[in-house]
Amino acid sequence: QSALTQPASVSGSPGQSSTISCTATSSDVGDYNHVSWYQQHPGKAPNLILYDVSNRPSGVSNRFSGSKSGNTASLTISGLQAEDEADYYCSSYTNSNTWVFGGGTKVTVL
Amino acid sequence: QVQLVESGGGLVKPGGSLRLSCVASGFTFSDYYMSWIRQAPGKGLEWVSYISSSGKTIYYADSVKGRFTISRDNAKNSLYLQMNSLRAEDTAVYYCARSGYAYGYVYWGQGTLLTVSS
Repeated sequence: QSALTQPASVSGSPGQSSTISCTATSSDVGDYNHVSWYQQHPGKAPNLILYDVSNRPSGVSNRFSGSKSGNTASLTISGLQAEDEADYYCSSYTNSNTWVFGGGTKVTVL
Repeated sequence: QVQLVESGGGLVKPGGSLRLSCVASGFTFSDYYMSWIRQAPGKGLEWVSYISSSGKTIYYADSVKGRFTISRDNAKNSLYLQMNSLRAEDTAVYYCARSGYAYGYVYWGQGTLLTVSS
């Protein structure tokens, strides 16, 4: 059982928005401010798309945005495109100086 | 450009040992902390181990503590993972990953596959 819970799948039509939640089930994530999100296409290494809840690394599309409410972080993909179809993982740094990942969410573009 | 190239994966019998390597290029290796992160076939990501930029601070996931040892050689721009007492559940693609933004891993290698099976 992962310390971070994500829905197994979400879907949306091109141009719509999709939101993925990531709920912390362990207090070891502290204030939950060090949440990162990764996109992973099949057979490829993960790609960092958000860090510290809502910050985008250089070069990442502004269609990806993040937020947090209590112990739930969220990734929103705006203007869904076919290329967004992938697995998405949340991750958090913990008070135990470790990292935990969510189980992953498969995003399908209908 | 930043490159991380893992090697050393393969087929190992349960109880066996193996050492993974990750050679870094395109950046000052000694400036960054590194981690090993693995992904079992068809499964999600699991953080395995962290090592600070100097190598003095190390952390492990409970699932590998006492069996795996992370190390680095900054002179050789290399990261290692010595894996002992291997189990079937250690079967995974192992990625080395570099920090870059807060606690996010911005650069990843292509991964090396470890299969533990008799």
